[in-house]
Amino acid sequence: EVQLVESGGGLVKPGGSLRLSCAASGFTFGSYTMNWVRQAPGKGLEWISHISSSSSYMHYADSVKGRFTISRDNAKNVVYLQMNSLRVEDTAVYYCARRLCNDDCYLDYWGQGTLVTVSS
Amino acid sequence: ETVLTQSPGTLSLSPGERATLSCRASQSVSSSYLAWFQQKPGQAPRLLIYGASTRATGIPDRFSGSGSGTDFTLTISRLEPADSAVYYCHQYGSSLPSTFGQGTKLEIK
Repeated sequence: EVQLVESGGGLVKPGGSLRLSCAASGFTFGSYTMNWVRQAPGKGLEWISHISSSSSYMHYADSVKGRFTISRDNAKNVVYLQMNSLRVEDTAVYYCARRLCNDDCYLDYWGQGTLVTVSS
Repeated sequence: ETVLTQSPGTLSLSPGERATLSCRASQSVSSSYLAWFQQKPGQAPRLLIYGASTRATGIPDRFSGSGSGTDFTLTISRLEPADSAVYYCHQYGSSLPSTFGQGTKLEIK
């Protein structure tokens, strides 16, 4: 069974840092592009970053570029999101999701999310 | 950036009726990269449709997707109370960043 479990969320002050983790199981982790998607309270979904299976490419949404860094450890089956210079508007539930690409490409499995609150 | 605009914002229907949700893209999106998700309060999004029209595993045939280019539609027939949720379209292809529509809230009263 595919499982994605996020951790590392919590309360942090503006300007602070936090590192999220997403532990994967039930599939060959090193074969998939992994994503982070967030959802501010009462708002819609926002894709923020992805990392290819071998870490050869990473992309970011403009809203987090230069502040957030995605990385992965295929030996440990974990994808990370290092978040620096956090802002109040980064408050959200952060989901990790697996991207499946065959003829079609889509996010097929999601974790349950971890809440990040940025507040003084 | 490809902007996805969903309409209507809120849809209120009765059990047994059919819901038609629209997703319009600011530029052409390959059908291979268009998906639909359902999200209920406090839950992670759930994949319904990928490749614009293929149902994900375990999704009942009451859910169907169609469209191409810039106009995509999610249709839910024979509505049930459990279909109450927010529905998002999502494009994830060669055009980065990947983007979501703003969502359509479906209420079954």
